[in-house]
Amino acid sequence: GDSVTQMEGPVTLSEEAFLTINCTYTATGYPSLFWYVQYPGEGLQLLLKATKADDKGSNKGFEATYRKETTSFHLEKGSVQVSDSAVYFCALKPLNQGGKLIFGQGTELSVKP
Amino acid sequence: EAGVAQSPRYKIIEKRQSVAFWCNPISGHATLYWYQQILGQGPKLLIQFQNNGVVDDSQLPKDRFSAERLKGVDSTLKIQPAKLEDSAVYLCASSLERQNYGYTFGSGTRLTVV
Repeated sequence: GDSVTQMEGPVTLSEEAFLTINCTYTATGYPSLFWYVQYPGEGLQLLLKATKADDKGSNKGFEATYRKETTSFHLEKGSVQVSDSAVYFCALKPLNQGGKLIFGQGTELSVKP
Repeated sequence: EAGVAQSPRYKIIEKRQSVAFWCNPISGHATLYWYQQILGQGPKLLIQFQNNGVVDDSQLPKDRFSAERLKGVDSTLKIQPAKLEDSAVYLCASSLERQNYGYTFGSGTRLTVV
């Protein structure tokens, strides 16, 4: 079945460092891909999305490109801030399955000043 | 725009007891989802409603879990009887349409079964 695999955390970086969180997926056809962020004590928030191959989603300095050939959707940010500390979830929306999301296990990011 | 409201925020119960969670979606959102998030894992869909009809409940443990959405607005998720492995955060989300890309999640209810 469809699934999402993320790199394990926690990831600890210094402020202004470059961030990459790897995400690969298994799915039939062309699912939509998402990154969600969960700050401590809060619900999941949509960070960015891509709906077809080669699309690039971006928001708040974060980017991810939908790579069909490598079935990947890696999250990147050029310069992280302490306020980016959170848990990041990669997710896919399978085709024709009513809108449900399938999530990866999450990657915790901790940014130190 | 008000967000998705959930209550309670926290609940501690003993195994074999029953518990209920409540969700009020964003006004006008036809689709409502309940997800279970076990510590260290990503959320997993339990049930999806379109208005007050069930679209997908294939991963809902129906021997102990039940959910309803009266009048296509508020929803209640119930567990009876609870097991230790039900300890998790229960997230409610809503969206305008079934295929809409924009989910809005509530803050969740953290359930601890002891």
